[in-house]
Amino acid sequence: LAKTTQPISMDSYEGQEVNITCSHNNIATNDYITWYQQFPSQGPRFIIQGYKTKVTNEVASLFIPADRKSSTLSLPRVSLSDTAVYYCLVLEGGGNKLTFGTGTQLKVEL
Amino acid sequence: GAVVSQHPSWVICKSGTSVKIECRSLDFQATTMFWYRQFPKQSLMLMATSNEGSKATYEQGVEKDKFLINHASLTLSTLTVTSAHPEDSSFYICSARGGQGAYEQYFGPGTRLTVT
Repeated sequence: LAKTTQPISMDSYEGQEVNITCSHNNIATNDYITWYQQFPSQGPRFIIQGYKTKVTNEVASLFIPADRKSSTLSLPRVSLSDTAVYYCLVLEGGGNKLTFGTGTQLKVEL
Repeated sequence: GAVVSQHPSWVICKSGTSVKIECRSLDFQATTMFWYRQFPKQSLMLMATSNEGSKATYEQGVEKDKFLINHASLTLSTLTVTSAHPEDSSFYICSARGGQGAYEQYFGPGTRLTVT
């Protein structure tokens, strides 16, 4: 299993860009990197997924270096509503099991 | 698209009774569904993986006779907590994955179970 490591918590202010880095040193060739967001008492919400280089969608960007041993989720201009736990996961080849780590508690303040 | 629902959203039951939680994929066919449990301030813990029409695969330490999983159709999986006890009180979340090549998992809103 490709274990992930990410900061336990981060603080930011509204309007700032937030970058959350995750390490996954033993990621395998067929694995994808996936990020989820979770609010209290809700199921996780898919944010973004990538394999290499850069992926961008309407809410975030995901940067993956060539060695794929880490990835960075970038949230542009965060707002209070972005306060949540963000999970970095490695989706193993075949897209089966997801193993959740501790996640990063992002707190956005005014 | 890719909506997963759960029912009920919360349930309170007495110790010793059984509770069934439903997980439905509303706009896609889910070949594989997953059940997680989450205790307060903790991460999600995978309990079991179920494929339509076959027996569920349980994670180590999860009692298959206590947590019965049925994946009878491509849009419905159920988790039954049998003989529930207060320590089974938790937030239960299901997720669903589509057909071959679909790597994304979509999560339901969760079910809060309280056993008194």
